Amino acid sequence: GESVGLHLPTLSVQEGDNSIINCAYSNSASDYFIWYKQESGKGPQFIIDIRSNMDKRQGQRVTVLLNKTVKHLSLQIAATQPGDSAVYFCAENKGNNRLAFGKGNQVVVIP
Amino acid sequence: EPEVTQTPSHQVTQMGQEVILRCVPISNHLYFYWYRQILGQKVEFLVSFYNNEISEKSEIFDDQFSVERPDGSNFTLKIRSTKLEDSAMYFCASGPGTGGVYTFGSGTRLTVV
Repeated sequence: GESVGLHLPTLSVQEGDNSIINCAYSNSASDYFIWYKQESGKGPQFIIDIRSNMDKRQGQRVTVLLNKTVKHLSLQIAATQPGDSAVYFCAENKGNNRLAFGKGNQVVVIP
Repeated sequence: EPEVTQTPSHQVTQMGQEVILRCVPISNHLYFYWYRQILGQKVEFLVSFYNNEISEKSEIFDDQFSVERPDGSNFTLKIRSTKLEDSAMYFCASGPGTGGVYTFGSGTRLTVV
């Protein structure tokens, strides 16, 4: 079946270091992916998206990489800050704006 | 920055009771959604709403659930007879168009006892 999932449940990173969060998807027909950040007590917050006709997209301190060959998505956060501590979800747009979220990956930034 | 507003932030209800969760989407958005997140689990799609009708719903969204846009600003989710397993965070979201880039509210924590 179709699924979007994350490899690591928790990532502890030293402040200032780079973070990498990984996500695997199983539907090779998927063409649009989004990363969301969820802080405690808040709703998911859009970080960055990428379409399948791209393999890399950069934002402010964040980069998303898409490897369609192995159906793998990653989010890189540069110079991680305490405010980056959150749960990060990858999501797949399944058409008609229906998003399928992965299980989430907790990032803990150590000051 | 425009926000999606949800009320109440926390609702406690007895099993079998009806609850209405309220949302005020971003004013110029046309697409509206409800998602839920059971504690410790992933966010799950419930329903999407466009042009005053449901455009898609998941298998979770059974006959106990309904959505309504009663006026030009509110978007509500009603659960007719709550069950214990309906306890979750319910997130409303709205978007300007197709593409998945939409804004989530902070959620309503529903606790069914």
